[in-house]
Amino acid sequence: GENVEQHPSTLSVQEGDSAVIKCTYSDSASNYFPWYKQELGKRPQLIIDIRSNVGEKKDQRIAVTLNKTAKHFSLHITETQPEDSAVYFCAASMNGQNFVFGPGTRLSVLP
Amino acid sequence: EAQVTQNPRYLITVTGKKLTVTCSQNMNHEYMSWYRQDPGLGLRQIYYSMNVEVTDKGDVPEGYKVSRKEKRNFPLILESPSPNQTSLYFCASSLWGRVGSPLHFGNGTRLTVT
Repeated sequence: GENVEQHPSTLSVQEGDSAVIKCTYSDSASNYFPWYKQELGKRPQLIIDIRSNVGEKKDQRIAVTLNKTAKHFSLHITETQPEDSAVYFCAASMNGQNFVFGPGTRLSVLP
Repeated sequence: EAQVTQNPRYLITVTGKKLTVTCSQNMNHEYMSWYRQDPGLGLRQIYYSMNVEVTDKGDVPEGYKVSRKEKRNFPLILESPSPNQTSLYFCASSLWGRVGSPLHFGNGTRLTVT
């Protein structure tokens, strides 16, 4: 079955700096890769996603890149702000089912 | 408003006392799933369902049951809860068979088994 690894497990950056979180997956059949943000005590919420036929997607300060050959994808957050502090999860899925999540990255943005 | 609704939000119970956590979605999603979240382990899938009367085990199904008698509801049943089932539980749903269909999560149920 699918296995998703995520690094780093914790990440601290200064406000205004960039943050990068990387994930790798094992099943080449996976074709959809969402990223979720989870604030303390709340549910995971989708922040950006990418399909396997796209190499990069951007939404304001957030971008995701996908390398299908190497089976890895990354989340990039630019100009970080304190409200970006949260736990971020990557996931891999095939056709909208059986989402497998990475273990999460705790991002702290220091003022 | 499109949403996944879980109840209760918090639950404290004792070992062996059967309990049910309800989950309902109003988005006509075929796919529903239960996850448990534990520190350092991320989100692990317990059971999932691709449609009415179709359920399958996820990665950590031991000690849990589910049913899918209606499309909108997917309850999680703990027949005889044990302390190692103390966790944060999330129900989620999505459109099955569609690439690019994200999971929508409920607000979570924090379960404590003493």
